[in-house]
Amino acid sequence: EAGVTQSPTHLIKTRGQQATLRCSPISGHTSVYWYQQALGLGLQFLLWYDEGEERNRGNFPPRFSGRQFPNYSSELNVNALELEDSALYLCASSLGLITGSEQYFGPGTRLTVT
Amino acid sequence: TQLLEQSPQFLSIQEGENLTVYCNSSSVFSSLQWYRQEPGEGPVLLVTVVTGGEVKKLKRLTFQFGDARKDSSLHITAAQPGDTGLYLCAGAPSEGSQGNLIFGKGTKLSVKP
Repeated sequence: EAGVTQSPTHLIKTRGQQATLRCSPISGHTSVYWYQQALGLGLQFLLWYDEGEERNRGNFPPRFSGRQFPNYSSELNVNALELEDSALYLCASSLGLITGSEQYFGPGTRLTVT
Repeated sequence: TQLLEQSPQFLSIQEGENLTVYCNSSSVFSSLQWYRQEPGEGPVLLVTVVTGGEVKKLKRLTFQFGDARKDSSLHITAAQPGDTGLYLCAGAPSEGSQGNLIFGKGTKLSVKP
């Protein structure tokens, strides 16, 4: 069974540009989560989607947004990129609206903003 | 705001030694998960503990959930170089269905041959 997949693996952008990151969950999982892992800060929760709806949002500015498609894949968009947005962006999936449901992570997208 | 504090932050030991990593909070979690992450890769789920006082074993790794479901520990017996990595604990909030996990900052383990 395929795990969570993310694309691209690496992304290099300049300050002010927009970045789009993609995630495909494990088959049968309806929830997708996005986390940011910046150096020295640990994993910070960004967004949670389930059944196409945004269910929860972390403490990030509105220029971080996303969506979930009918096939449960998801996209994370970061507008007006800043240098401090450079980080590993991780996507995870789970079985959905079950508190504590185990989350399985993809390999991540390394975003570098210059 | 629920926080998880992990200790130690860094750990460098020789092959064959034992070690324990701690994950503490003042908040109650409905479950707690342990992950291991290699550089440049996503975290890999090792175990989930749900019941207060629960102990789970995975080969040389022993995981324990505190009786009050506020803390957890990971004990590795006879560590091997292959155990090297970043160990992360993550708790599921007990109140409401917030979905996201609360992560500790991790323990970076290095096991030297």
